[in-house]
Order: sequence, then structure tokens, then C-alpha cells
Amino acid sequence: EVQLVESGGGLVQPGGSLRLSCAASGFTFSSYEMHWVRQATGKGLEWVSAIGTTGDTYYPGSVKGRFTISRENAKNSLYLQMNSLRAGDTAVYYCARGPRVPAGMGEYYLDYWGQGILVTVSS
Amino acid sequence: DIQMTQSPSSLSASVGDRVTITCRASQSISRYLNWYQQKPGKAPKLLIYAASSLQSGVPSRFSGSGSGTDFTLTISSLQPEDLATYYCQQSYSTPVYTFGQGTKLEIK
Repeated sequence: EVQLVESGGGLVQPGGSLRLSCAASGFTFSSYEMHWVRQATGKGLEWVSAIGTTGDTYYPGSVKGRFTISRENAKNSLYLQMNSLRAGDTAVYYCARGPRVPAGMGEYYLDYWGQGILVTVSS
Repeated sequence: DIQMTQSPSSLSASVGDRVTITCRASQSISRYLNWYQQKPGKAPKLLIYAASSLQSGVPSRFSGSGSGTDFTLTISSLQPEDLATYYCQQSYSTPVYTFGQGTKLEIK
């Protein structure tokens, strides 16, 4: 059974840092692209970052330069280092499994998600 | 960047109704379009991928169609457990993904 379990959330002051972790099990972690997606309370889903199987990383403009995604295949773990946090970063953060690499035709989706972890940026 | 626009933002329908949600991309994305269902307090769940392929385990009352810039999610006969917010997501610019703003579905 595929499982993704996030940890590391909590309350942090503006300008502070936090590192989220996602423990993966039930699949060959090193063969899959992995993503972080966030959701502010009452708002929609926002894609935050992705990491490929070879370590290539991707970010939207809203977090580029402040957030760093990484993975440790030996530990089946995904991370999100968040620096220079702002109130607007307050959200539930989800870890999600992307496509197996190489993906088949049309297999570009997020098929398993963690339960989410709350990050609150406030003084 | 590819923008995704869903309509309506919310809708209310009765059990047994046919429900349609639309999603428009700011440029052609071929069939790289996925739909997710998010129930209150839960993580999103993949419903449809590649515009019209039903994810394993998803009831057949859900279907997707479209290509290019215009896409549709249809629930053929609404059930009480379909209360949720539905999101479209483009994967044309993979692995950079973009979600629509969501459609909140309420049961009358």
C-alpha cells in the first residue's frame, strides 16, 4: 500500500525557516517524480515544487529562491526546506507522488497524496 | 505560464442530477488535463487523467472529455457522497503543474 506521511509543520515567525519531511512507503521511491502542493485555509490548491528522479528541481515564482525541495532515496524521504517565510505561506502542505520515470502516455498526474501538514507563519 | 480557469466556482444540484464542470486552459494543452476531487478536511484524490481516463477505483458516473483548451468533468447521476470541491490541473508543462481555482459542489 502506497503511503505518504508528512511531518515537520508548525508555527514559525515571519522570516523564519522550517523543514518539512515526507516519508514514503509501498513503492519504489527512487523511480518516481515527487511534488509538494499547498492549500491555504479556504483556498484552492497551489503547486509548490517538484523533484525528478535525477534531482532536477522546479518551482513557481512565488517560492523560487526561498524554498528548496530535495530527496534522499536511501531513506525513501522527500523534503521541503522553507526559508524567509511569509504570512502568505501559511497553508496545509501536501506531499504527492508524481509520475514514474519514464512516464507512459498521459501518465502525468499526482496519484497519491499525504494527509497534509499545517504550516502557520505568524508573530 | 499556463493558467487554468474553472466554471462555475460553485454549484448546487440534487441527487440524481447530471452535473458538468468546465475547465479552460490559457493555451492548448492537448489532453494533458487531470481532475481531482477534494472532500472537506481530506487530501485531493485523482479522478480522471489524460482528459478522459478514469483512475482505478473511481465510479463510472464520473467522466471527462475535451482537448486543446476546453475540458469537461461530468457526473452522470449525482450522489450524496459527491459533495466536494473539484479541481482541474494541467500537466502539459510537466513537471510544472497548474491547478484551476476549484468548483465547490453542494447537494440540494
